[in-house]
Amino acid sequence: GDSVTQMEGPVTLSEEAFLTINCTYTATGYPSLFWYVQYPGEGLQLLLKATKADDKGSNKGFEATYRKETTSFHLEKGSVQVSDSAVYFCALSDQGAQKLVFGQGTRLTINP
Amino acid sequence: GAGVSQSPSNKVTEKGKDVELRCDPISGHTALYWYRQSLGQGLEFLIYFQGNSAPDKSGLPSDRFSAERTGGSVSTLTIQRTQQEDSAVYLCASSLEGVGAKNIQYFGAGTRLSVL
Repeated sequence: GDSVTQMEGPVTLSEEAFLTINCTYTATGYPSLFWYVQYPGEGLQLLLKATKADDKGSNKGFEATYRKETTSFHLEKGSVQVSDSAVYFCALSDQGAQKLVFGQGTRLTINP
Repeated sequence: GAGVSQSPSNKVTEKGKDVELRCDPISGHTALYWYRQSLGQGLEFLIYFQGNSAPDKSGLPSDRFSAERTGGSVSTLTIQRTQQEDSAVYLCASSLEGVGAKNIQYFGAGTRLSVL
């Protein structure tokens, strides 16, 4: 079945550092890919998405590119802020299957 | 506009009791989803409603779990004879449609269920 694997956390960085959170997927079809973020005490929020190969999703300085050849959707940000501290979830939604399949989540802490 | 609303935000119950969790989706959204977030299992899909179609119940972990959606809007997730392993955060999401580009799911803040 479909699955998503994220790099294990927790990840701790200093402010203004470069961030990469790895995400790879297994799917039978051509999935849409998502990054969701969960800030402390809040619900899941969509951060960005990509619906086909080579698409780049971006939002709030975060970017991720849909790489079909490596089945990856790594999340990157050039300069993180303390306010980026949260749990990040990579997810996919396969064609014809409406549910989201999530990775295990990566807890990110940014120190000032 | 209002987002997905879930109630209660926290629920503590005794093992063996039944609980009902409520979800009020974004107005106009035809698709509604329930997920469970627990330490051991991460985020798991439970059930999906789309319009008047039969729900996709493939993620329900046992027959103690059931859900209904009345009038195409509010949904209730019921857990009968709760067990300690049911302790988790139950998340509801809704989307404009169930498939395609409009299947962006918006999540509520969740109900934290603790079974003692």
